[in-house]
Amino acid sequence: DIQMTQSPSTLSASVGDRVTITCRASQSIRSSLAWYQQRPGNAPKLLIYQVSSLESGVPSRFSGSESGTEFTLTISSLQPDDVATYYCHQYNSYPWTFGQGTKVEI
Amino acid sequence: EVQLVESGGGLVQPGRSLRLSCTTSGLSFSNYEMNWVRQAPGKGLEWISNISTSGSRTQYADSVKGRFTISRDNAKNSVFLQISGLRVDDTAFYYCATGGSCPGGGCPDAAYFQYWGQGIPVIVSS
Repeated sequence: DIQMTQSPSTLSASVGDRVTITCRASQSIRSSLAWYQQRPGNAPKLLIYQVSSLESGVPSRFSGSESGTEFTLTISSLQPDDVATYYCHQYNSYPWTFGQGTKVEI
Repeated sequence: EVQLVESGGGLVQPGRSLRLSCTTSGLSFSNYEMNWVRQAPGKGLEWISNISTSGSRTQYADSVKGRFTISRDNAKNSVFLQISGLRVDDTAFYYCATGGSCPGGGCPDAAYFQYWGQGIPVIVSS
């Protein structure tokens, strides 16, 4: 199984800060990487797919990038609405797997 | 507006069976692969099953293989999860989720989870 190691597990930042979350795959997953946001008490929501494609309706302050098997979600200017847990997800090979999540606090 | 609504969850005793349903609206259901993802209390997300657009191909996580069966009815815009031999560690919120749009099927680059239901709790306890 492909392991997705996500860091940090918790992140505390201020409004307006640039925030970066990293996910490292245990082997190549090509560009089959998505990011989700889960606000407390809610279902997950797709933010980014295929590493860097922004889902329709998602604010442009969210972006994704890759370097080999390391993938990054960046929030360019953190907003109060961004308080949530963020998960990466590889869909290159079964079983599809998630990172363990990063809780973002303000 | 795309909507996915799960039903069929609840409190069940260990060893019993349950059938979860997910009814969709606002999308061309037969163009989407469907998935079930679960989340144990206070834990992260776990993908558990996928079904192709036609229903001819299914995949399962090892943790549920042989106990869970996914199926779909494209005429009713619905996907199902039959769960048997429930265990205490199956306790979780269960979400149905679509893949990306894939008319005709066979779109590995569209295997992310685009639309999600609100989830339904399954509690396994004696």
